[in-house]
Amino acid sequence: DIQMTQSPSSLSASVGDRVTITCRASQSISSYLNWYQQKPRKAPKLLIYAASSLHSGVPSRFSGSGSGTDFTLTISSLQPEDFATYYCQQSHSTPRTFGQGTKVEIK
Amino acid sequence: EVQLVESGGVVVQPGGSLRLSCAASGFTFDDYMMHWVRQAPGKGLEWVSLISWDGGSTYYADSVKGRFTISRDNTKNSLFLQMNSLTTEDTALYYCAKGYRAGSIDYWGQGTLVTVSS
Repeated sequence: DIQMTQSPSSLSASVGDRVTITCRASQSISSYLNWYQQKPRKAPKLLIYAASSLHSGVPSRFSGSGSGTDFTLTISSLQPEDFATYYCQQSHSTPRTFGQGTKVEIK
Repeated sequence: EVQLVESGGVVVQPGGSLRLSCAASGFTFDDYMMHWVRQAPGKGLEWVSLISWDGGSTYYADSVKGRFTISRDNTKNSLFLQMNSLTTEDTALYYCAKGYRAGSIDYWGQGTLVTVSS
C-alpha cells in the first residue's frame, strides 16, 4: 500500500500569509494526487485534482504542484475562511490512501 | 444539484452487522465510480471502498477487506455498504462520495454515524 505523509501536522498563520503544505508518497504516484479541505463538522471539499488542476469554483489563491513522490499545496494569501484541515489523497492505486491531515489555525 | 444522502448508521454491538445506503441524485449515477470514506471521531479521513460504474470492479481498504461489501443498484441510483463482523475500530462517520477526474472525489454526502459499542 502507498503511504501518504503530510507535513506539518499543524501550523499557525495569519490572514494574508502564504501557506505551504507538503505531501510525500511512499512510492511514485505520477500526478495522481488530490487535495481536500475540511472544516469542522462538514464534509470535505475537493480543491485540487491531478496534482495541479484547480477544481471548479475553488479560489485561485489555492494551487498545487509536484509529481512522482513530492507534492505541495500552496495558499498564496490566507483568508479567514481558509482555516481548516487539509488532506492529500493518492488516486494512483488502491487502496486510495489519505494523508493524516494538516490543520491550519489562526495565529 | 448533486445530492448524496446516506442512511443506516446506528449503534451496533461488536460482532454485529449493518447495511449503509446512499441515495444519489442530480447526476447520471451509472456514469461514475463511487466511494465510501470514513472518519473516526476526532481523526482523519480513511478511504474504505470503491466500486466501478457498473459494479463489476470493487476495491477495499485492508482494514475492511473480507468484512465489508460495496454494491450499487444503478436502477435506483443507490450505493450500499454491507458491514459484517464489526469492531469498535469501525466506529466512524461514513461518507458516500462521487468519483471524479483522475480518481478524485468531487461530492460527498453529510455522512451517517456508525457506533460499535457493547
